[in-house]
Amino acid sequence: GQQVMQIPQYQHVQEGEDFTTYCNSSTTLSNIQWYKQRPGGHPVFLIQLVKSGEVKKQKRLTFQFGEAKKNSSLHITATQTTDVGTYFCAGEGAGNNRKLIWGLGTSLAVNP
Amino acid sequence: KAGVTQTPRYLIKTRGQQVTLSCSPISGHRSVSWYQQTPGQGLQFLFEYFSETQRNKGNFPGRFSGRQFSNSRSEMNVSTLELGDSALYLCASSRKGTGGFDEQYFGPGTRLTVT
Repeated sequence: GQQVMQIPQYQHVQEGEDFTTYCNSSTTLSNIQWYKQRPGGHPVFLIQLVKSGEVKKQKRLTFQFGEAKKNSSLHITATQTTDVGTYFCAGEGAGNNRKLIWGLGTSLAVNP
Repeated sequence: KAGVTQTPRYLIKTRGQQVTLSCSPISGHRSVSWYQQTPGQGLQFLFEYFSETQRNKGNFPGRFSGRQFSNSRSEMNVSTLELGDSALYLCASSRKGTGGFDEQYFGPGTRLTVT
């Protein structure tokens, strides 16, 4: 079945360092969404990417969708302690495969 | 606009019992999805409802069931509880009903502990 692999599982950085998490799907996706879950909280939507090769930015966050629509990345520049949490990607299958498949998430810890 | 609400927030049950969790979506949202979240397993999709119909189902045993009412409120039921059912159960609603998944708005979750 369709799978979305997300790496790394954990990342520990010093404040000010950059951070990247990657998602890879076994099949072509129609779109991919990114969410952030703070400790003790619930997932909160960050962005949705739909087009092949799409790049979107939100302040220090840069999101990319691969040309083949099978992979995506989230890059945070100059991390801050407020970036702490788990970042999830969720890919929707293409065609009739209309399911939202979630990666296992990348937990980010930031040392002040 | 009020967010997604889930009740109860915490629940302790014993093995063999059954439980019903409730979710009220954001007003105007007709799609409701349920997820199970456990450490190490991430978010596991249970099912999605739209207009009182189950549109998608994840790979969970038949002990897990759900329904949606005409006002879009949804309930999920777990029968014959097992220790492994201990988890955070999240409900998410979305505005878009067709043409793909829209932004998911999550509720705070129900923390179920099975002893």
